Amino acid sequence: NAGVTQTPKFRILKIGQSMTLQCTQDMNHNYMYWYRQDPGMGLKLIYYSVGAGITDKGEVPNGYNVSRSTTEDFPLRLELAAPSQTSVYFCASSSSPPGSSNQPQHFGDGTRLSIL
Amino acid sequence: GENVEQHPSTLSVQEGDSAVIKCTYSDSASNYFPWYKQELGKRPQLIIDIRSNVGEKKDQRIAVTLNKTAKHVSLHISETQPEDSAVYFCAATPYGGATNKLIFGTGTLLAVQP
Repeated sequence: NAGVTQTPKFRILKIGQSMTLQCTQDMNHNYMYWYRQDPGMGLKLIYYSVGAGITDKGEVPNGYNVSRSTTEDFPLRLELAAPSQTSVYFCASSSSPPGSSNQPQHFGDGTRLSIL
Repeated sequence: GENVEQHPSTLSVQEGDSAVIKCTYSDSASNYFPWYKQELGKRPQLIIDIRSNVGEKKDQRIAVTLNKTAKHVSLHISETQPEDSAVYFCAATPYGGATNKLIFGTGTLLAVQP
């Protein structure tokens, strides 16, 4: 009963380093999302995908890239880490678009990322 | 684009009292409003949602009301308990959900004092 799994849980990066945050779901959901949550703030959408091979920008996409080669996986890549990207990153998935059915977005446990 | 304002940012109540959190959204086409609860260090979890064709929805101690004219959606928690302490987020679908997105409010930290 895994749901949405994110790895790693914690990571410290140096400025300019790159890394990939992994997200995988075992619910066969078409819709997947990446959010960032800054301290005391709500969730901001970075990128989302409506199915394998299809991705689109959210509210704050700059500095990030995504790919969706399979239904299960939706990795988020930081190419040149900057201090402004210090945040908690949440991946989510759903079987249908928001509001189109009673199926909610299921969230992973998050990745806490610090850029120093 | 859609903007969702949430108030208050922090709320402290005594156990047994009611708590009310209010969100105002900007896009009149928004048609779906979920509410999420996030305990400290945990993932957000859906607690209740409401669609634009319904004015009120209730689930045990939790209720959500929607005023489409004023573009307000409110979360009501009655008979609060210490385990209700968490951050609560509202969200809305811009453009009637056509963009496949949810826009979140900034959250309300609810503290229930025993």
